Amino acid sequence: GPKVLQIPSHQIIDMGQMVTLNCDPVSNHLYFYWYKQILGQQMEFLVNFYNGKVMEKSKLFKDQFSVERPDGSYFTLKIQPTALEDSAVYFCASSLGVSNSDYTFGSGTRLLVI
Amino acid sequence: AQKVTQTQTSISVMEKTTVTMDCVYETQDSSYFLFWYKQTASGEIVFLIRQDSYKKENATVGHYSLNFQKPKSSIGLIITATQIEDSAVYFCAMRVNYNQGKLIFGQGTKLSIKP
Repeated sequence: GPKVLQIPSHQIIDMGQMVTLNCDPVSNHLYFYWYKQILGQQMEFLVNFYNGKVMEKSKLFKDQFSVERPDGSYFTLKIQPTALEDSAVYFCASSLGVSNSDYTFGSGTRLLVI
Repeated sequence: AQKVTQTQTSISVMEKTTVTMDCVYETQDSSYFLFWYKQTASGEIVFLIRQDSYKKENATVGHYSLNFQKPKSSIGLIITATQIEDSAVYFCAMRVNYNQGKLIFGQGTKLSIKP
């Protein structure tokens, strides 16, 4: 079936540096999401994005986080500056609509901040 | 407040048997959607099955079925004829009708299938 691609699959970065996580959503999907999963725990919602705007964000979506999808290219999550507690797996997902639409998840980007 | 709770941290069963994983949810909304996902050892998240709150019939897909008990706010996942490759972490999730598609996940249940 259609896939969500995440690039890179792994990233190691020094604390305080900037990192950009890239997501290529399913081509006809309109809603995009980022979730954060700390090792061994549940996935937690960060943000959703539609029509060029953030629709909702959680408390985990700190001021250092930002998202964009310039010109229909990658949907990106940028963290600037990174902190040790940002180490986690970040999952991108997309859906055609909301509520009754199924998600497609990417395989995740494993971010390690050292 | 919305919440999803999976109290079973891990389950181990023999291959070819049936297993049930529990999930309870909290929401004030009358319309919501419940999902089960599987996370494989590689980290991939796979959609398994879904129940819409307004549907009375339990959803069934392949060897997955749901035990939807709306008065108890419960949505159990039943896997029949389990196979080794069913070993994974299973997450229950909820989406309410108005919230722009946000999924609220439970803590997950690690299922191990023994040969």
